[in-house]
Amino acid sequence: GENVEQHPSTLSVQEGDSAVIKCTYSDSASNYFPWYKQELGKRPQLIIDIRSNVGEKKDQRIAVTLNKTAKHFSLHITETQPEDSAVYFCAARIYNFNKFYFGSGTKLNVKP
Amino acid sequence: GAVVSQHPSWVICKSGTSVKIECRSLDFQATTMFWYRQFPKQSLMLMATSNEGSKATYEQGVEKDKFLINHASLTLSTLTVTSAHPEDSSFYICSASTLWGGSAYEQYFGPGTRLTVT
Repeated sequence: GENVEQHPSTLSVQEGDSAVIKCTYSDSASNYFPWYKQELGKRPQLIIDIRSNVGEKKDQRIAVTLNKTAKHFSLHITETQPEDSAVYFCAARIYNFNKFYFGSGTKLNVKP
Repeated sequence: GAVVSQHPSWVICKSGTSVKIECRSLDFQATTMFWYRQFPKQSLMLMATSNEGSKATYEQGVEKDKFLINHASLTLSTLTVTSAHPEDSSFYICSASTLWGGSAYEQYFGPGTRLTVT
């Protein structure tokens, strides 16, 4: 099955700085890569996603890049704000098998 | 749009009893529902995938006789934890996806159910 690895496990940045979280996946059949933000005790929220036919996608301060050859994708948050503090999960979906596999999560702390 | 509800939001039960958790898609038909388990400070672990009218597909290591999943309609899936034990205490989250309208790639999460077994 798919194996998704995520780094780092914790990330502390100063407000206004950029944050980068990286994930790798193992199954080349994965074709959809969402990123979720989860606050304590709440459901994961989709913040951005990318499909395998696209190399980069941007939405305001958030961007995701995908390198299919290397099987890795990254989340970039610019101009971080304290409200960005949360746990972020990457995931990979094997569409034909209809399953999502999650990375281990990154706890982002944005210091004011 | 794409709202998923889950009930109950939290439940406390005694060891040996069974607990049923409901997951509903409120404004769309969910062709597939997923059940996840999340321990504190850990990631979401996929337990099973269910398609309406079919038997659920369980992930390796998940006991199908202990975690009974039913997806009887396009808007409702249930997870029953049978003969619950303290180690079953966890946060259970469902999600739903659809092949029609919107994005066939996305999954929409329910708010989760906090289960505590005493």
